[in-house]
Amino acid sequence: NAGVTQTPKFQVLKTGQSMTLQCAQDMNHEYMSWYRQDPGMGLRLIHYSVGAGITDQGEVPNGYNVSRSTTEDFPLRLLSAAPSQTSVYFCASSWTISYNEQFFGPGTRLTVL
Amino acid sequence: KNEVEQSPQNLTAQEGEFITINCSYSVGISALHWLQQHPGGGIVSLFMLSSGKKKHGRLIATINIQEKHSSLHITASHPRDSAVYICAVDQTGANNLFFGTGTRLTVIP
Repeated sequence: NAGVTQTPKFQVLKTGQSMTLQCAQDMNHEYMSWYRQDPGMGLRLIHYSVGAGITDQGEVPNGYNVSRSTTEDFPLRLLSAAPSQTSVYFCASSWTISYNEQFFGPGTRLTVL
Repeated sequence: KNEVEQSPQNLTAQEGEFITINCSYSVGISALHWLQQHPGGGIVSLFMLSSGKKKHGRLIATINIQEKHSSLHITASHPRDSAVYICAVDQTGANNLFFGTGTRLTVIP
């Protein structure tokens, strides 16, 4: 099992560019989520999904879109990158959100110039 | 206001010392998670608990639901334990975890 995979590992964008961060899991988990990690702050939830075809907003959703067409994949789209989106992004998955071990991807370090 | 508070923020210890990291939370929870993040690395789950105590090797996690407090202990600390330790809670009825800001542990040989 590969677990949770994320691509790319590093990315540099210019302000206004768009891109998609990829996340995939091979554990048949229903719950998937995207977090951003900024210095001095805890991980903050961007978007989450409780199953294929179902997504919802988290704490900091502005500027990001997600979709969940399959159980395995949960891509995160930056619509028009801004310097405030410079961060490390983590994808995570679990069977459900409650009382289940969380599995995290290796992270994507994004810099927006 | 952060639902999850960790202390200390930074901790330096000599190899072999007993380490304690604390986590307090203000909401009702179904579970509490302890996570480990090595420098530049990903995040791995160490423990998930809703009551009592769990042990894995040199790591011990305890939780007191009434006091809304959990501790992570490391016995006989080693330089490879150097990492950021993160506490997170499953708030009852919520669809996401709430995270503390982490405790950066450095163990000196």
